[in-house]
Amino acid sequence: AQSVTQPDIHITVSEGASLELRCNYSYGATPYLFWYVQSPGQGLQLLLKYFSGDTLVQGIKGFEAEFKRSQSSFNLRKPSVHWSDAAEYFCVWGPNYGQNFVFGPGTRLSVLP
Amino acid sequence: KAGVTQTPRYLIKTRGQQVTLSCSPISGHRSVSWYQQTPGQGLQFLFEYFSETQRNKGNFPGRFSGRQFSNSRSEMNVSTLELGDSALYLCASSLSPGELFFGEGSRLTVL
Repeated sequence: AQSVTQPDIHITVSEGASLELRCNYSYGATPYLFWYVQSPGQGLQLLLKYFSGDTLVQGIKGFEAEFKRSQSSFNLRKPSVHWSDAAEYFCVWGPNYGQNFVFGPGTRLSVLP
Repeated sequence: KAGVTQTPRYLIKTRGQQVTLSCSPISGHRSVSWYQQTPGQGLQFLFEYFSETQRNKGNFPGRFSGRQFSNSRSEMNVSTLELGDSALYLCASSLSPGELFFGEGSRLTVL
């Protein structure tokens, strides 16, 4: 069965520090990959997406992610974290047809002042 | 442009009852999907509708059902509620394959 793993359940960083959230997926075909963010009591907001082409994708709020086929990874990065980035982050695999997305378990990010 | 709207936002039911949740997609979006979010299982795909037809279904019992109307609005129904059905139910819509736009969800508590 398809799966998406996020090894880190909870990460704490200081404001201004760099951030990397890890994601691995287990599929053979070229995937659609996404990062979504969920703030407390909120729905999910798309940060960025990878369909094909350039393996380094830019998203909103200064986030970027790099697709590495050889490592089956799609890690999310941000050079300088802001206190407002504290939220839950989900790595997501999507099919090229339909909406039966597969979500990773999520990584909760806490930001220290 | 209005986003995905879900109603009600919060509701409390007792075991054995049934519940209907509603979702209005972004205007022009014909594809609507539903997800269940719980602390233990995370986010899981329930089902997807496109042009009033169920296109995909996740691994949930038959107590979970849904439908889509001609205006793309969707409803999901859960019958014979169990305690484990307590969750945040998220609706998403899309215009094209790939990107989902989510509503804020309906939080169901089953007592």
